[in-house]
Amino acid sequence: NAGVMQNPRHLVRRRGQEARLRCSPMKGHSHVYWYRQLPEEGLKFMVYLQKENIIDESGMPKERFSAEFPKEGPSILRIQQVVRGDSAAYFCASSPEALGKRNADTQYFGPGTRLTVL
Amino acid sequence: AQSVTQLDSHVSVSEGTPVLLRCNYSSSYSPSLFWYVQHPNKGLQLLLKYTSAATLVKGINGFEAEFKKSETSFHLTKPSAHMSDAAEYFCVVAANSGGGADGLTFGKGTHLIIQP
Repeated sequence: NAGVMQNPRHLVRRRGQEARLRCSPMKGHSHVYWYRQLPEEGLKFMVYLQKENIIDESGMPKERFSAEFPKEGPSILRIQQVVRGDSAAYFCASSPEALGKRNADTQYFGPGTRLTVL
Repeated sequence: AQSVTQLDSHVSVSEGTPVLLRCNYSSSYSPSLFWYVQHPNKGLQLLLKYTSAATLVKGINGFEAEFKKSETSFHLTKPSAHMSDAAEYFCVVAANSGGGADGLTFGKGTHLIIQP
């Protein structure tokens, strides 16, 4: 059973461009969580999605960031008009059950996408 | 509200000597506590968790942690370090409030260096 897949692993964008980060959850998992890790910081929760629904986006910046998890295909974290402050590692996690974002042991993490904004 | 403080950003030990990674937490509710390890360019792997059962928790790879409510601590230990233990370690707290939006709170991480 393949783990959580994220691609690309590394992404370089110039200021003002768009970044699209993809996350394929583990087989059988229908819940996805996105986290951001800034340099020298711990992971910070961004958004929790189920198939076709955003359950909790309390950690998402109000502008330029959006996330989706369509019925078919991977979850997408989209950052429009990137700025240098968006440079970070973005981690996706998935879980099989609706235990919410509180249960770390049911969340399986991907290897992350490292976004660099020039 | 909840928070996690990892007291050391870097810890360096010699191979074969004990490891101690310190973590203090604060939480308005009875917390669940976790330690995760992150190897370079890899995802996070759960080492162990505390969820109000036994206060001494054993995890994978010989790691264990002790929950001390009076000290609000959840330090991670290992009797004998191995070169493969070199990685970033994160202490995580989750509030068991039954509701609310606190979710998971990560510490800033401790970089463990193993000297040969």
